Amino acid sequence: EPEVTQTPSHQVTQMGQEVILRCVPISNHLYFYWYRQILGQKVEFLVSFYNNEISEKSEIFDDQFSVERPDGSNFTLKIRSTKLEDSAMYFCASSENNQPQHFGDGTRLSIL
Amino acid sequence: QKEVEQDPGPLSVPEGAIVSLNCTYSNSAFQYFMWYRQYSRKGPELLMYTYSSGNKEDGRFTAQVDKSSKYISLFIRDSQPSDSATYLCAMSGGGGSNYKLTFGKGTLLTVNP
Repeated sequence: EPEVTQTPSHQVTQMGQEVILRCVPISNHLYFYWYRQILGQKVEFLVSFYNNEISEKSEIFDDQFSVERPDGSNFTLKIRSTKLEDSAMYFCASSENNQPQHFGDGTRLSIL
Repeated sequence: QKEVEQDPGPLSVPEGAIVSLNCTYSNSAFQYFMWYRQYSRKGPELLMYTYSSGNKEDGRFTAQVDKSSKYISLFIRDSQPSDSATYLCAMSGGGGSNYKLTFGKGTLLTVNP
């Protein structure tokens, strides 16, 4: 069964550094999403992306964050100038039109 | 009032029991309702997907949506130890299921052999 794949599974970064989290969505899906889950808290929406542009973003998704689909298969989340509170699991998801979202296994981001 | 409320448990049941998991919500714009299962250190895995009110059954799993009460449920029959996981309810609004998902906090379920 096709799946969303995310790399790396664990990323450790010094505070203030930039990180790029990578995702390969399911191949025929057109809608892409990033969510995060801080330890012990709910899964929270960050951003959705369709037709090469952001379709919606949350209050969390400020100028520190950006997304990109650099080629036909990858979808990336860049976090600039990381802060301690950016430590979380980051999940990528994808979907077909009006179909449920399918999630990857996440990248655990640890900011030191 | 939180948009989606879900009792975090933990819930512990013997193998073979019927499990009932529930969420309430406040946003009447929600129309798409999902249940995801999340094993430790894994991503949410889609279990059930329903639109608007009604019931949907898939094997041992039944999802119910009551929009008038803003209440959704997931029933697991003949529960197995492999069902031990965190169960997340999620919902999205009138923009369709391509719209952002709002999650409950998740209920941790343990099924004891």
